[in-house]
Amino acid sequence: EAGVAQSPRYKIIEKRQSVAFWCNPISGHATLYWYQQILGQGPKLLIQFQNNGVVDDSQLPKDRFSAERLKGVDSTLKIQPAKLEDSAVYLCASSPAGAGNTEAFFGQGTRLTVV
Amino acid sequence: AQSVAQPEDQVNVAEGNPLTVKCTYSVSGNPYLFWYVQYPNRGLQFLLKYITGDNLVKGSYGFEAEFNKSQTSFHLKKPSALVSDSALYFCAVRLYSSASKIIFGSGTRLSIRP
Repeated sequence: EAGVAQSPRYKIIEKRQSVAFWCNPISGHATLYWYQQILGQGPKLLIQFQNNGVVDDSQLPKDRFSAERLKGVDSTLKIQPAKLEDSAVYLCASSPAGAGNTEAFFGQGTRLTVV
Repeated sequence: AQSVAQPEDQVNVAEGNPLTVKCTYSVSGNPYLFWYVQYPNRGLQFLLKYITGDNLVKGSYGFEAEFNKSQTSFHLKKPSALVSDSALYFCAVRLYSSASKIIFGSGTRLSIRP
């Protein structure tokens, strides 16, 4: 089966600009996650969707970050305006619903550099 | 609150020797536990998981992990290291629910010398 698709792979923007990332999860996966991975750190969950509803967005900086998952399939994550500290890899992951379906499958990520 | 600790930033092992990458966790209920590996400029790749049952779980590439409830640990092991095992390894935990969030540790860089 096809994996989690993310685009773009790399993005360089100036601070205060806006940027958007796109994710297409594995077909049929109900749960979609966006993680932020700063260099040298573990991934930090930004937002988790179950179908098109938000399950957890407690660590999403809502003054500048937004995410949506229309129709419960693909998702976009937006940053507006970007700050230097937003430089990181943004990872999208998905997992199927149901008992026993516990692990998440990750895309290759989008590396964002804010200058 | 859930948390995961990986006490070693880096582990260095000679090829052919056994390796252990340590992980301890803290959750208020029954955990699902995972190990992921990350190669340069790649996403995270799933290695293995513990849900319930046998405390020793086997995964991809000859890796295994031992769940120890009393010590709240889930150490990753391999009997004989390969140079190609050199990568960044992450331990992760989620509560006993497929809807709960997955929390990752800070990662351990494994370096295998020839």
